[in-house]
Amino acid sequence: NAGVTQTPKFRVLKTGQSMTLLCAQDMNHEYMYWYRQDPGMGLRLIHYSVGEGTTAKGEVPDGYNVSRLKKQNFLLGLESAAPSQTSVYFCASSGSRSSYNEQFFGPGTRLTVL
Amino acid sequence: AQSVTQPDIHITVSEGASLELRCNYSYGATPYLFWYVQSPGQGLQLLLKYFSGDTLVQGIKGFEAEFKRSQSSFNLRKPSVHWSDAAEYFCAVGAGAGKSTFGDGTTLTVKP
Repeated sequence: NAGVTQTPKFRVLKTGQSMTLLCAQDMNHEYMYWYRQDPGMGLRLIHYSVGEGTTAKGEVPDGYNVSRLKKQNFLLGLESAAPSQTSVYFCASSGSRSSYNEQFFGPGTRLTVL
Repeated sequence: AQSVTQPDIHITVSEGASLELRCNYSYGATPYLFWYVQSPGQGLQLLLKYFSGDTLVQGIKGFEAEFKRSQSSFNLRKPSVHWSDAAEYFCAVGAGAGKSTFGDGTTLTVKP
């Protein structure tokens, strides 16, 4: 099993450009998450999904959109990138809604917005 | 709202020395607690988790953590640190609906 994979690994954008980050998991997990990681700020939840066709806002959703058209994929979109969105983005998945279920993380996407 | 505090931003220990990383949480009910490790350029990997029962939980790579309700703490320990343990460590509390709230992380440096 590949676990959780993310595409691309690195990307440089200019302000105002758009892009989509792809997350895929092969563990048949119901829950998927998008986080951003900034120095000294830990992980902050952007959006999450509790199942195919559903999405919900996390702690820092502004400037991002998501879609979960297939159970195994969770897409994160930036419609008009800003320098404040320079960050490392992590996708994660979880088997169920129980709070004691661990999350499985992808390797991350490093995004720079100039 | 739930929160997690990791008081130490950076810790340096010598190889072979013992390690303790601190974590304090704030949560209204019985907490579900986790420790994750992040190696450079990698995603997070679960070290151990607690949700009930024995207050001392064992994890992978020789790590353990002790849940102390009276102190709202869930400190991570290892008796003898190896150079490969150098990484960033995150404490997290389950926040309902499958979500977790993460601390800001502690960076561990291991001196030879």
